[in-house]
Amino acid sequence: NAGVTQTPKFQVLKTGQSMTLQCAQDMNHEYMSWYRQDPGMGLRLIHYSVGAGITDQGEVPNGYNVSRSTTEDFPLRLLSAAPSQTSVYFCASMTRNYGYTFGSGTRLTVV
Amino acid sequence: GDSVTQMEGPVTLSEEAFLTINCTYTATGYPSLFWYVQYPGEGLQLLLKATKADDKGSNKGFEATYRKETTSFHLEKGSVQVSDSAVYFCALILRSNDYKLSFGAGTTVTVRA
Repeated sequence: NAGVTQTPKFQVLKTGQSMTLQCAQDMNHEYMSWYRQDPGMGLRLIHYSVGAGITDQGEVPNGYNVSRSTTEDFPLRLLSAAPSQTSVYFCASMTRNYGYTFGSGTRLTVV
Repeated sequence: GDSVTQMEGPVTLSEEAFLTINCTYTATGYPSLFWYVQYPGEGLQLLLKATKADDKGSNKGFEATYRKETTSFHLEKGSVQVSDSAVYFCALILRSNDYKLSFGAGTTVTVRA
């Protein structure tokens, strides 16, 4: 039982490049979400999904796309990376008791 | 909108000192309240939670009581250890808001031996 797995752990992109951050969970949780963490700002919600085939925007969705074709996977796509997207990204799934299980994070630097 | 305000850090303590981190919330409805902890280089872990007024969450010597009258959920520990050095986040969810987790800005706690 691996929980929430995120890959890669670190990534450096050039401005304008695109990439996909992977997130997978093996707990059969319906609810998954992506957050970004920036100093002094806590975690801010980017996108979330209440189940396969359903996604919705969070607080800071611009520049990011998501899809949810399976219960297990919830990838986050950066369409055209910008320096403002330099951040630590966390994927999470919600348990039956409304607690969240977080992945270990992806540290992204856009130069 | 729904929001969480927590005590600004950083907080530096000596081992065995008493720790309090203040957290207040604004919400339309009755949220569930959480404290998450982030150790250096790691993701967030659920520390404790409370789902209704007057509930007390507790774990690893930490406690927090859901106070509806003061809209607060302050975190306390009676005797901290060096291993408690981490960033602590207060958070809430509301069923009416699709269970989205809203976080405070986080409080960095450093415990010195």
